[in-house]
Amino acid sequence: DQQVKQNSPSLSVQEGRISILNCDYTNSMFDYFLWYKKYPAEGPTFLISISSIKDKNEDGRFTVFLNKSAKHLSLHIVPSQPGDSAVYFCAARDAGNMLTFGGGTRLMVKP
Amino acid sequence: DTGVSQNPRHKITKRGQNVTFRCDPISEHNRLYWYRQTLGQGPEFLTYFQNEAQLEKSRLLSDRFSAERPKGSFSTLEIQRTEQGDSAMYLCASSRVTDEQYFGPGTRLTVT
Repeated sequence: DQQVKQNSPSLSVQEGRISILNCDYTNSMFDYFLWYKKYPAEGPTFLISISSIKDKNEDGRFTVFLNKSAKHLSLHIVPSQPGDSAVYFCAARDAGNMLTFGGGTRLMVKP
Repeated sequence: DTGVSQNPRHKITKRGQNVTFRCDPISEHNRLYWYRQTLGQGPEFLTYFQNEAQLEKSRLLSDRFSAERPKGSFSTLEIQRTEQGDSAMYLCASSRVTDEQYFGPGTRLTVT
């Protein structure tokens, strides 16, 4: 039973446009959500997070939105750049600080 | 601060052999986590330590898997009697108690 799902395995976006990556979860006990970016042959790199008591968090070009009633979060990247091309994982944290990851979405930003 | 380091980066072993991986966390982080990642999947939690105490180990994949963090600093993950299905990337992460987890580059294990 996948508690965190990223239903789009890949996404292709033109440079300068908006990238929207989506994530759904099922466990209402998750209290914190994170996005990680992963390049080949490297470990995941923390990108941005959001507490379950908020509905939006912004950091430069990256914004994460949380819709608790829908159990859905999304990551917006504006404007997208070729260096953003990577695999993006969403993760949800439980009370024990253990992370459950989605399967990832491969973002390709075309020049 | 050099981040989380893992050694070796790559390990090729024959089925039935034992392997051990090492993780050195960020120095001020008291929590250390192990994950496994297979192709096309997200990282899967295995176990974690707070200082030298192993607080969760029920998700270790089998009794062939064990982890230690003897002095609350570096940690080792051992897989005994490796099987081909153990081939994966093994990731280590560290954090302060409730902060974001920072990952190392991983150890890629290939069992032939």
